Amino acid sequence: KAGVTQTPRYLIKTRGQQVTLSCSPISGHRSVSWYQQTPGQGLQFLFEYFSETQRNKGNFPGRFSGRQFSNSRSEMNVSTLELGDSALYLCASSLLGDEPQHFGDGTRLSIL
Amino acid sequence: AQSVSQHNHHVILSEAASLELGCNYSYGGTVNLFWYVQYPGQHLQLLLKYFSGDPLVKGIKGFEAEFIKSKFSFNLRKPSVQWSDTAEYFCAVNARRSGGGADGLTFGKGTHLIIQP
Repeated sequence: KAGVTQTPRYLIKTRGQQVTLSCSPISGHRSVSWYQQTPGQGLQFLFEYFSETQRNKGNFPGRFSGRQFSNSRSEMNVSTLELGDSALYLCASSLLGDEPQHFGDGTRLSIL
Repeated sequence: AQSVSQHNHHVILSEAASLELGCNYSYGGTVNLFWYVQYPGQHLQLLLKYFSGDPLVKGIKGFEAEFIKSKFSFNLRKPSVQWSDTAEYFCAVNARRSGGGADGLTFGKGTHLIIQP
């Protein structure tokens, strides 16, 4: 079956803009989590959505938000982009949230 | 707050050498433990996991890991590495939530493993 699909693969934005990233989980998976990966901080948990509700949140500012649709697809939004938001954003899905997560290829966001 | 420490950031081995990558975590409750691998140009893949039961777990491609609760450790091992094992290895931890699901994964900084032919 198809894996976790993230779009777009690459994005270039400028400071102050906002961006929306998309994630389609594996079919049947209801839990979707988002992570930020940077060389300095490594992989950091942003938030998790389950049944259209944010169930879990990491330690990121309110500029980072997300949502989940009834088909379990999820979007992540970052407003007022800063240079430090340049990173690889990874989406991961699992059936109910307490099983191993399956990761997508990520969206690489560059802020100019 | 949870934290995960991986002892080696870069490891270089020759083919057929034995491998052990260290991982220690800091968390007071019951945890789930994982090792993920990222091969060049590919996405993160699960190598193995520990939820409960036998503390020695076997994963894909001949990897295994041992959970030692008293040492808060979950070290990854492979008796004989191959060139194709060249990759980035991440140890990760989360905890089950009473209301369902689990906390987000807390990852170590990763170990870049290079296997020389």
